[in-house]
Amino acid sequence: EAGVAQSPRYKIIEKRQSVAFWCNPISGHATLYWYQQILGQGPKLLIQFQNNGVVDDSQLPKDRFSAERLKGVDSTLKIQPAKLEDSAVYLCASSPAPTIYNSPLHFGNGTRLTVT
Amino acid sequence: TQLLEQSPQFLSIQEGENLTVYCNSSSVFSSLQWYRQEPGEGPVLLVTVVTGGEVKKLKRLTFQFGDARKDSSLHITAAQTGDTGLYLCADTDKLIFGTGTRLQVFP
Repeated sequence: EAGVAQSPRYKIIEKRQSVAFWCNPISGHATLYWYQQILGQGPKLLIQFQNNGVVDDSQLPKDRFSAERLKGVDSTLKIQPAKLEDSAVYLCASSPAPTIYNSPLHFGNGTRLTVT
Repeated sequence: TQLLEQSPQFLSIQEGENLTVYCNSSSVFSSLQWYRQEPGEGPVLLVTVVTGGEVKKLKRLTFQFGDARKDSSLHITAAQTGDTGLYLCADTDKLIFGTGTRLQVFP
C-alpha cells in the first residue's frame, strides 16, 4: 500500500510570512494527525481529525495555525504568520481507527520548515 | 499533563555492544508503543505493550513494560549500524511521545 504522502519536503520562509503543508493519508484511513517535531525532541500532537471532523486541537496555537480536512481525505496545515520558533519538522500520520492501541500511526516523511 | 522522559538522551556505541534505553511516565500508561525514527523519515512502530510486566521480543530487541505500567525499557543485543536512529516511546491513549533517545552505532 502507498504510504502517507507529504509535500513540500522542505520549506524556508521569513518570519511573518505564511506557509501551507499538504498531507495525503493512506487510503481508507479515517484518522489523520498533524505533529510538530522540534529538533532533538519527540513529536508533539497539534491536531487530530476523524474523517473531516476535529477530535482534538487542544495543542494547536489557533492564533496562527489552522488545519482542515474538508472531504475527509487529504489535509492542509497552515501557519500565518510564522515565527522563528515554528522551525520544526511537521509530520502527518494516519491510522484506520481513532485509537492507536491496535491500529498504529503511519507517518509520512514530514516537511522540514525553517523560519529565518 | 503526562510527561514521558526517556534516558539516556544520546547514546553512541560500537557494533556488537548491548544497550538499554528507558521510558518513564509521570502517570500510568494505558498502553505503550515504541517507535524508531531514522533521519529524514517519520517514526515507524516497533511494538505495542499493554500488560504490566509484559516482555516482548523482536529479533535482537527486547521490550519490557513495568509492573506498575509507568515505565518501559528497550534492550538491544549486539547492536548493528542499522539500529541507528531516534527511539521514541508513546502513550497510545493520549498520543503523547517521549523526549527520545538518539542512538548512534559505529562500525
